Amino acid sequence: KAGVTQTPRYLIKTRGQQVTLSCSPISGHRSVSWYQQTPGQGLQFLFEYFSETQRNKGNFPGRFSGRQFSNSRSEMNVSTLELGDSALYLCASSLEWGGRNEQFFGPGTRLTVL
Amino acid sequence: AQSVTQLGSHVSVSEGALVLLRCNYSSSVPPYLFWYVQYPNQGLQLLLKYTTGATLVKGINGFEAEFKKSETSFHLTKPSAHMSDAAEYFCAVSDDPLTSGSRLTFGEGTQLTVNP
Repeated sequence: KAGVTQTPRYLIKTRGQQVTLSCSPISGHRSVSWYQQTPGQGLQFLFEYFSETQRNKGNFPGRFSGRQFSNSRSEMNVSTLELGDSALYLCASSLEWGGRNEQFFGPGTRLTVL
Repeated sequence: AQSVTQLGSHVSVSEGALVLLRCNYSSSVPPYLFWYVQYPNQGLQLLLKYTTGATLVKGINGFEAEFKKSETSFHLTKPSAHMSDAAEYFCAVSDDPLTSGSRLTFGEGTQLTVNP
């Protein structure tokens, strides 16, 4: 079974631009979560989607948004990019909603904002 | 809200020596606890998890962890380190599993170095 895939793997943008990252979960998984990883702040939860609905949201500004499609694929969007948005963005999928379920992480998208 | 503290941002051991990575958590409800490993330029891989039941949990690659409620700890151990164990390790807690879905709160991470 294929793992979680994220595209693109690397991205370079300039301040003020917007960006869309994509995540394809493991086949059959219905929950997708997004995390931001930076050297200074570590791993921080962005949001979680289940059955096309945002079920949980972390403490990030409204510039960060996401959605989930009927096939469970998810996208996250960051508008008006700032230098501090440079990070590794990780997507994780799990079978169902709930803390008991193991989350499988993708390789991440490394975003650099210049 | 839950929180996780990993003691020691860098741990260095010799090949064949015991690996001990420390993790303490705070939680107002019975937690679900996880250890993940991250190799350079890769995502996170689950090593082991504690949800309920036996407090000594065995994971992949010879790692194990013990949930100690009285000490609010979930330390990760491996009897004999291998060069391939060099990586960053993250302890995580599931925020109020009954209401917060799959959301994980991570510790700051511990970089493990294995010396030949």
